[in-house]
Amino acid sequence: SQQGEEDPQALSIQEGENATMNCSYKTSINNLQWYRQNSGRGLVHLILIRSNEREKHSGRLRVTLDTSKKSSSLLITASRAADTASYFCATVYGGATNKLIFGTGTLLAVQP
Amino acid sequence: GAVVSQHPSRVICKSGTSVKIECRSLDFQATTMFWYRQFPKQSLMLMATSNEGSKATYEQGVEKDKFLINHASLTLSTLTVTSAHPEDSSFYICSARAPGSKETQYFGPGTRLLVL
Repeated sequence: SQQGEEDPQALSIQEGENATMNCSYKTSINNLQWYRQNSGRGLVHLILIRSNEREKHSGRLRVTLDTSKKSSSLLITASRAADTASYFCATVYGGATNKLIFGTGTLLAVQP
Repeated sequence: GAVVSQHPSRVICKSGTSVKIECRSLDFQATTMFWYRQFPKQSLMLMATSNEGSKATYEQGVEKDKFLINHASLTLSTLTVTSAHPEDSSFYICSARAPGSKETQYFGPGTRLLVL
């Protein structure tokens, strides 16, 4: 399976704290993306980082990518209760279809 | 941003019946759509890539005769679960490749299927 793994599987923090989630993948990639899923809903695209980039910011989100270690991290700063959701990394492999392969996900709970 | 809808959002059916799920891109044309399956508290698993005007490409282990995919127009792809059984109960999510991008996808809200 090409599916990546994320850790931790679940994370519970207090509002205002930072949340860090990690993702590891298995083969060379074109880019890596992070998605958010609220319970029982579809996915929302958060951020994309290309294989030649090492760090990217978007609002309270900071993503890093280490291709030598085949890993990425997502940092959410100053978390809010509304950030409670599952977060998935997804890698894009080459080829005509550029398929997304999702990681196992991290369930984040932000306590008010 | 672009919107992808799915219908129905929930469906309960008896074992042995067939269920059709629709995926529509509401304000853009999507030549490629994707169908995923998600079990409770698990990740999304790609089932197939749906290409407008041609046959779908199925992932290894996905039965194409069991999960029929039709992408008859640039805004609609359908997934039909044929002769559904309780083990087909799952959350099915579609996505469409974002306009002008090979990399980003817009996801539908998902369809919860329960087979009794």
